[in-house]
Amino acid sequence: DTAVSQTPKYLVTQMGNDKSIKCEQNLGHDTMYWYKQDSKKFLKIMFSYNNKELIINETVPNRFSPKSPDKAHLNLHINSLELGDSAVYFCASSPRTGRRNSPLHFGNGTRLTVT
Amino acid sequence: DAKTTQPTSMDCAEGRAANLPCNHSTISGNEYVYWYRQIHSQGPQYIIHGLKNNETNEMASLIITEDRKSSTLILPHATLRDTAVYYCIVRALGAQKLVFGQGTRLTINP
Repeated sequence: DTAVSQTPKYLVTQMGNDKSIKCEQNLGHDTMYWYKQDSKKFLKIMFSYNNKELIINETVPNRFSPKSPDKAHLNLHINSLELGDSAVYFCASSPRTGRRNSPLHFGNGTRLTVT
Repeated sequence: DAKTTQPTSMDCAEGRAANLPCNHSTISGNEYVYWYRQIHSQGPQYIIHGLKNNETNEMASLIITEDRKSSTLILPHATLRDTAVYYCIVRALGAQKLVFGQGTRLTINP
């Protein structure tokens, strides 16, 4: 009954390949996010979707393309993988923000290693 | 969002209260103080948040100074499983994203 689940947990691939990471939340939340945590452990937001609509894109290279088929899913597709893409990628979700700030719920991450 | 300053690391003995400070001197009136933690190899976990009143839940207490320029997260009886990086984040009402800083690496010692 995991609230925010990501697959795969580990992903090892070679430079130049294309790969996808999937995220699903069963919390009924409207907003979903992708965060990247690099080797120095900094957590940085990449994208946010609200009810399948892109609302935040933090100057991420266009090799990264999020796809939200419905509000419970936000997948991350990465083209032409580079060594610098190696990181842990976290998916998160929250209720729609508005008059109340609601906490984000995070998945347990996908560790991507590009060789 | 206002910037926060936290100590890089702290130690606490198991069973004692862990008090984690955070400075947010430029906080504005509509910004909340959030605390998250990240246990090794897991995603960040929400702990507590507040605006100006002190808050308490099953995990922790949050004490915010009257001028709101600093706050303290209190874990009343720390256990080894509380070893983690603790992030203090200031987030405006209605803001879509959380901006993480470096956090405090808290080590609970037996």
